[in-house]
Amino acid sequence: GAVVSQHPSWVICKSGTSVKIECRSLDFQATTMFWYRQFPKQSLMLMATSNEGSKATYEQGVEKDKFLINHASLTLSTLTVTSAHPEDSSFYICSAHRGAGATDTQYFGPGTRLTVL
Amino acid sequence: GQNIDQPTEMTATEGAIVQINCTYQTSGFNGLFWYQQHAGEAPTFLSYNVLDGLEEKGRFSSFLSRSKGYSYLLLKELQMKDSASYLCAPMDSNYQLIWGAGTKLIIKP
Repeated sequence: GAVVSQHPSWVICKSGTSVKIECRSLDFQATTMFWYRQFPKQSLMLMATSNEGSKATYEQGVEKDKFLINHASLTLSTLTVTSAHPEDSSFYICSAHRGAGATDTQYFGPGTRLTVL
Repeated sequence: GQNIDQPTEMTATEGAIVQINCTYQTSGFNGLFWYQQHAGEAPTFLSYNVLDGLEEKGRFSSFLSRSKGYSYLLLKELQMKDSASYLCAPMDSNYQLIWGAGTKLIIKP
């Protein structure tokens, strides 16, 4: 089946540093990728929609200057958490949208656990 | 608005059958997904329904009624490893998944 990878799987960083998370669709091209954040015991929350070749669309309340998204190719989207703070510690999950019409499916990456000290 | 309604928590016995219901309201509709999520892990895909009716896949089956905004996930022959959260996620007209809090399923021996 389709596979989506994320790197790194976990990261610990100091407050004020920037962290880049990569999301790759390994065996299909994804014009659209989504970035989610999940705090412990809470639902997934959509942060932004990443479209290849254009600017990302951010959800209300998500700072686009803090969470930089780049969808450089049909198989790669990156999320950079700039000047990370402890409140940014969370589980970040990407998903890649495959197909069109009745066979649409989103495949999730394994997630990246970010801990900001 | 868009919203999902699922029970917060359910408990079932190993070997039994459990049905997790989901009602939804979305702006447009492009199918409904069920995902399983174990604690600390990303969701994994279970099923996708876009037409009314029942889709069976091994021990798991999923049902959809678009006119009622209703779906259920049926799990048979429950195993301890089925203890997880189950997320009902309809896809809206923009192909975005709408997430609820999910249903935490606890399996007891």
